[in-house]
This record gives sequence, structure tokens and C-alpha cells, in this order.
Amino acid sequence: GESVGLHLPTLSVQEGDNSIINCAYSNSASDYFIWYKQESGKGPQFIIDIRSNMDKRQGQRVTVLLNKTVKHLSLQIAATQPGDSAVYFCAEKASISNDYKLSFGAGTTVTVRA
Amino acid sequence: DAGITQSPRHKVTETGTPVTLRCHQTENHRYMYWYRQDPGHGLRLIHYSYGVKDTDKGEVSDGYSVSRSKTEDFLLTLESATSSQTSVYFCAISIRNEQFFGPGTRLTVL
Repeated sequence: GESVGLHLPTLSVQEGDNSIINCAYSNSASDYFIWYKQESGKGPQFIIDIRSNMDKRQGQRVTVLLNKTVKHLSLQIAATQPGDSAVYFCAEKASISNDYKLSFGAGTTVTVRA
Repeated sequence: DAGITQSPRHKVTETGTPVTLRCHQTENHRYMYWYRQDPGHGLRLIHYSYGVKDTDKGEVSDGYSVSRSKTEDFLLTLESATSSQTSVYFCAISIRNEQFFGPGTRLTVL
């Protein structure tokens, strides 16, 4: 089975509200996590990453939180815009992986309501 | 897009025929990956390469083979396509921990 997964397959958000996308992982040996955004018909694009020695990292309008105690990762998007409508994936890398392999969750589809 | 192209972008083929998908990169990256994407499964690793002629299996490698005779090209071959291989295929390269993806190839096996 998958070692990385998302709690909800879909999320509907009102434009201007904040979005929170959740991800649970099971491999306690993972030391690096990434959030990707995939728009329709395109490949996944990097949003933000976080290492296991951190519990929070902020980017432009996005924040990633990592709770290693419960193996939980979340992506927060501030002031959600129509262009944020996409599928969001979390991915993890095991610390023992020397080939930079990532394991991906199933994804959450975010729809922004006008 | 880290200089990654995939060809073809779309292909329809029949069960039992061989199919080869090409991934081309222009920036001399060592690591390259092939994924398939299906509804409800996210991205699953098929094969990957860590250098010319150096490849290894991913989690869903059955029915697929790969070759890398040049740094810039990573080929994915379905020796005898089956309907279960209908999917969207993504190539990726790795720059340290971060992976960058190509635009994808939509393959339909009838």
C-alpha cells in the first residue's frame, strides 16, 4: 500500500478563504517532504518542501506544517484564488534513499468557488 | 519545466502492440524517472535511472522496460501493451531532492 496519503480526495473553498490540505504518512524514516500542484493537463509542479528537522516552513501564500509525532503534513494556502484550483499531492523521501525516489499520495482536488 | 520534453504527447494503440515513450532532457541531469498516473493512485514509480545504462525498478515495473543509452534520453517501452497500461505517463528528473516533471504522455490501449 501507499506510505503517503491524503485525508480527503476533494476540497471546495470559497475564493478569498484559507485552504488547508492534509496528508498522513506512515514511514517514520522519511526525512524530506514536498507538496506539488498539478493543473489539468500538466505535470506536477513544486510548491514547497520541508525537512524533517523543521515543523513549519513558509512560502508565498503557502505554509507547510509537519507534525512528526502523528506523522502528519499539511499545506495551508492563504487567500485562495481561482488559479489555486488544481490537484495537490504530498510526497516523501526516505532518509535511506540514495536515489532521490519519492512516494506520492493520491492527491486532493481543490476547487475554488467564486 | 527544467528542459524536459516527452514524446509523443498522445498515443492510441491496440492491445499486444509494442510502444515506446521518450523522455528528453537538455540539462545533463543524472537521475531520471518514469511514473504512471491513474485516478485514485497518484503517481507511481515504474522505473528510474541513475546514469547511462544504470536503471532500476520502481513499484509498478511489471510489463515495462527502460533504456538509457545517452544522458539526455530515457525510454520507456511496453513490449506488448495491455488495456491496464492505459494511463498518463510522466517523466521526471531530480535535482538533489526535488523532482521536476515533464508535460506527460496520455496513452490509450484499446
